[in-house]
Amino acid sequence: QKEVEQNSGPLSVPEGAIASLNCTYSDRVSQSFFWYRQYSGKSPELIMSIYSNGDKEDGRFTAQLNKASQYVSLLIRDSQPSDSATYLCAVNMVRGAQKLVFGQGTRLTINP
Amino acid sequence: DARVTQTPRHKVTEMGQEVTMRCQPILGHNTVFWYRQTMMQGLELLAYFRNRAPLDDSGMPKDRFSAEMPDATLATLKIQPSEPRDSAVYFCASGENRDPGTEAFFGQGTRLTVV
Repeated sequence: QKEVEQNSGPLSVPEGAIASLNCTYSDRVSQSFFWYRQYSGKSPELIMSIYSNGDKEDGRFTAQLNKASQYVSLLIRDSQPSDSATYLCAVNMVRGAQKLVFGQGTRLTINP
Repeated sequence: DARVTQTPRHKVTEMGQEVTMRCQPILGHNTVFWYRQTMMQGLELLAYFRNRAPLDDSGMPKDRFSAEMPDATLATLKIQPSEPRDSAVYFCASGENRDPGTEAFFGQGTRLTVV
């Protein structure tokens, strides 16, 4: 089992709709979780951090965490063409001196 | 303008040559990560340091790769000898270790091509 797993997509969503990205992780005691956005040819950019169960909202982005299910998700409301990118889920693994492990990424395309 | 700086941005080298990539972490950050990104494998963690001490380099081929932090403002990743399969984008990221975790900020990357 991979330490962090994401559906690689591609995920295609019409402009204005909600995009939903999902991630599962293997280390049950992990405490910190992140979403990064990576445009083609660019470096990953941190967009959300979440540490507690429940929802965390920042503008059009909402991160959701369920530690019991070892599941973290990212919702993008009112999707814009500029949201088209690869979204990477990352987890600080407690087992392993908090190494930061990334999922494979989900490629998201917003269609105008 | 606080950012992670990596040099060089691009490197083309012949198989068998030594390659050195450099990273200047954000001032004040005590954790540095080295990642390699390819289409097939995604972002792989090669090594990381906290307070300049190596914590984990299990993701790195030991026979040819080495990572060091000679001081708090410089991290290096060396490949000797380089092979075509090492062609990838190498990212350095830095962060401040704090409870409950470390947010990492990435440099622009070094695009390495070994021919």
